[in-house]
Amino acid sequence: EEQLLESGGGLVQPGGSLRLSCAASGFTFSTYAMSWVRQAPGKGLEWVSTISGSGTSTYYADSVKGRFTISRDNSKNTLYLQMNSLRADDTAVYYCAKDRSGYFVNWGQGTLVTVSS
Amino acid sequence: IQMTQSPSSVSASVGDRVTITCRASQGISTWLAWYQQKPGKAPKLLIYAASTLQSGAPSRFSGSGSGTDFTLTISSLQPEDFATYYCQQANSFPRTFGQGTKVEI
Repeated sequence: EEQLLESGGGLVQPGGSLRLSCAASGFTFSTYAMSWVRQAPGKGLEWVSTISGSGTSTYYADSVKGRFTISRDNSKNTLYLQMNSLRADDTAVYYCAKDRSGYFVNWGQGTLVTVSS
Repeated sequence: IQMTQSPSSVSASVGDRVTITCRASQGISTWLAWYQQKPGKAPKLLIYAASTLQSGAPSRFSGSGSGTDFTLTISSLQPEDFATYYCQQANSFPRTFGQGTKVEI
């Protein structure tokens, strides 16, 4: 059974940093692109970032470009999101998702990031 | 590419046929997905490539359309279908979602 398990969320002050992790199992991790999608409280879904299976190509939403960095370790079947210069409007549940040709075919349970002083 | 769903909410009863539309601000061929999200849960992929049912999704869900106009239809609403539905374009980066349609009793 395919599983995605996010971790690393929590409360952080504005301007702070946080690194999210997503542990994958049940599929050949290195052959799939992976993505992060977030959802602010009571709001809709917002795509954040995508990384190719090899890790050589990355894509970002304008709202996070220059502040967030997506990466992966295929030897550990783990996806990461390094978040710097966090702002209040980054407060959201962050989901990692298995990405097949731009479709998010499987999602983790999400991890909550709260940016507040 | 901006994705616009309508309606933003719909009230329906068990057994009803429900239709949700999604319009893209420019042509996306059939690069469109539909997701279902229940409160406190992660979204689930229902339909991809505009009309292909994801493995495990009930056959009462169907999708159609191409270019800029798309439709998700639930042929006979079941109690477990009360949720919020999102469309998403996979044609280009940045990936974008519609604002969601809440299907309520």
